[in-house]
Amino acid sequence: AQKITQTQPGMFVQEKEAVTLDCTYDTSDPSYGLFWYKQPSSGEMIFLIYQGSYDQQNATEGRYSLNFQKARKSANLVISASQLGDSAMYFCASDQTGANNLFFGTGTRLTVIP
Amino acid sequence: DARVTQTPRHKVTEMGQEVTMRCQPILGHNTVFWYRQTMMQGLELLAYFRNRAPLDDSGMPKDRFSAEMPDATLATLKIQPSEPRDSAVYFCASGRVTGGHTEAFFGQGTRLTVV
Repeated sequence: AQKITQTQPGMFVQEKEAVTLDCTYDTSDPSYGLFWYKQPSSGEMIFLIYQGSYDQQNATEGRYSLNFQKARKSANLVISASQLGDSAMYFCASDQTGANNLFFGTGTRLTVIP
Repeated sequence: DARVTQTPRHKVTEMGQEVTMRCQPILGHNTVFWYRQTMMQGLELLAYFRNRAPLDDSGMPKDRFSAEMPDATLATLKIQPSEPRDSAVYFCASGRVTGGHTEAFFGQGTRLTVV
């Protein structure tokens, strides 16, 4: 199984600033996917962004980008121009190609300060 | 706007009672996941199905938990008998395999309290 590590239990960022949420993973599989999800206080899990292990370019989705460093086994989420609505828990997850199990890290609580 | 629907949203039950949680996956999705979220353990994968067949339920306590997909529009997670330590939020997610990976869409969860 994959092991996902998110070392930042909580992060604060000023509104309109950029913030990086860390994620490292541990896998021996050559092919895997990396995901980020957002969980606001309402509780639902919202898919944000996906990166495949063989993708040459870092994934981007609007204000979200994934800083994928394969050699370091890290998949950090960068949120640009933070908004108050970005305050939430953020979970990094990974799966094994073909197995399609999806394992989550412990999450980082992001608070955006006005 | 397609979404995963879970019922009930909240459930309070007494220890020893049977609990059934239901999930309607998004039409066309062939993979269904069940997760449990607690403060202590975070998000734990309990079981997942592909094309209604269980692929892996190793994360699930077998003696009291069971997961089924009676048809493509319904997935169930049953606990019998329930215990206070089962109190958690249970999420169902569905997805479609694309390029070997599944982008999972989550329901709003069932918050279970066993007293």
